Amino acid sequence: DVKVTQSSRYLVKRTGEKVFLECVQDMDHENMFWYRQDPGLGLRLIYFSYDVKMKEKGDIPEGYSVSREKKERFSLILESASTNQTSMYLCASSLLVTGVGGNEQFFGPGTRLTVL
Amino acid sequence: GQNIDQPTEMTATEGAIVQINCTYQTSGFNGLFWYQQHAGEAPTFLSYNVLDGLEEKGRFSSFLSRSKGYSYLLLKELQMKDSASYLCAVSANSGNTPLVFGKGTRLSVIA
Repeated sequence: DVKVTQSSRYLVKRTGEKVFLECVQDMDHENMFWYRQDPGLGLRLIYFSYDVKMKEKGDIPEGYSVSREKKERFSLILESASTNQTSMYLCASSLLVTGVGGNEQFFGPGTRLTVL
Repeated sequence: GQNIDQPTEMTATEGAIVQINCTYQTSGFNGLFWYQQHAGEAPTFLSYNVLDGLEEKGRFSSFLSRSKGYSYLLLKELQMKDSASYLCAVSANSGNTPLVFGKGTRLSVIA
């Protein structure tokens, strides 16, 4: 059974703290993604990675960084958390598919982060 | 640019049929996905269409027209547990390109 896990379901941090969100997948997928999801705004892509040590900015990378040292693990870092980063954070992974055949994304359970 | 449109909210009665529409404009096309997301949970895969036509899977069916940039998700014999958000997502290219997601349609099933 495919699995994407995230380090915490709920997290409460204070403004200015450094926050690490961890994501691990056991499917040997090349691609990994970080999204945030807010009411009325849908899923917004923060960063993604298609290989170890590779990263690409998504639609809203400001205030975030990422790390991918191993294929199965993709970390999202909030260098200095702010209240507007309170959100649900979702990690996803997908296989590298070339040619016809969509690259289905598998999601982790999400981390609800509150920044006070 | 990339754009996916779907209605924000819908309400339907238990036992009825509901159709959730999705229109898209993307730089390329390599398939369309529908995901279901219950409140507070992660999205889960429902269906995938890459060729025109209807794909049926139990109570759920998904239709695609590539020439019209249009898809719909059809839910039959609605149950209360079908109350959820339904996300339309397009694979614009193969390889490592992320899916482009719509904002989701929140479906409420009422008795």
